[in-house]
Amino acid sequence: AQKITQTQPGMFVQEKEAVTLDCTYDTSDPSYGLFWYKQPSSGEMIFLIYQGSYDQQNATEGRYSLNFQKARKSANLVISASQLGDSAMYFCAIGAHTGNQFYFGTGTSLTVIP
Amino acid sequence: DAGITQSPRYKITETGRQVTLMCHQTWSHSYMFWYRQDLGHGLRLIYYSAAADITDKGEVPDGYVVSRSKTENFPLTLESATRSQTSVYFCASSEQAGGVANEKLFFGSGTQLSVL
Repeated sequence: AQKITQTQPGMFVQEKEAVTLDCTYDTSDPSYGLFWYKQPSSGEMIFLIYQGSYDQQNATEGRYSLNFQKARKSANLVISASQLGDSAMYFCAIGAHTGNQFYFGTGTSLTVIP
Repeated sequence: DAGITQSPRYKITETGRQVTLMCHQTWSHSYMFWYRQDLGHGLRLIYYSAAADITDKGEVPDGYVVSRSKTENFPLTLESATRSQTSVYFCASSEQAGGVANEKLFFGSGTQLSVL
């Protein structure tokens, strides 16, 4: 079975600063994908970024980048130049090839301070 | 625009009643999932389906039943609702026929269920 751990229940960041949200995972599957989703107060789940287990380079999508350290089994999300609209819950997730299940962490609540 | 829709958006029921949450997607995605979201637990997988007539249990399947007679529909039934099933329920789909390791999930808007 796969497991995702997000150890930061809540984070604060100053507007325009960068912030790192931590995510560690545990899987025995050699092929997997790591995902980050954003959930604003309105409740919808918004896909942010994806990293495949065999990808050599860290994924980037605009202001989002994924700091993938395979040996440490970590997939931290970095948000650069934080904006007030980044205030939301952020979920890390893993999709494994074996079993085709998709698991989420408990989430990190990010608050951007003006 | 095609998408994934859940109904109802809000539901209040009483303990012991049967309730069905509906999920419909128009993309013909192979995979569909049901999650429940609770404070402190994140999203937990209830059931998932790889294709029509193929379903399997997730982390927290007890008290829930699913079916998938058609690719586009994946209803979730609480056979005898309990207060502990008060939660927000999300349906999701993925188009990856070969597995979910490298394909994102698309989510519905969620159903907020209260069991009194």
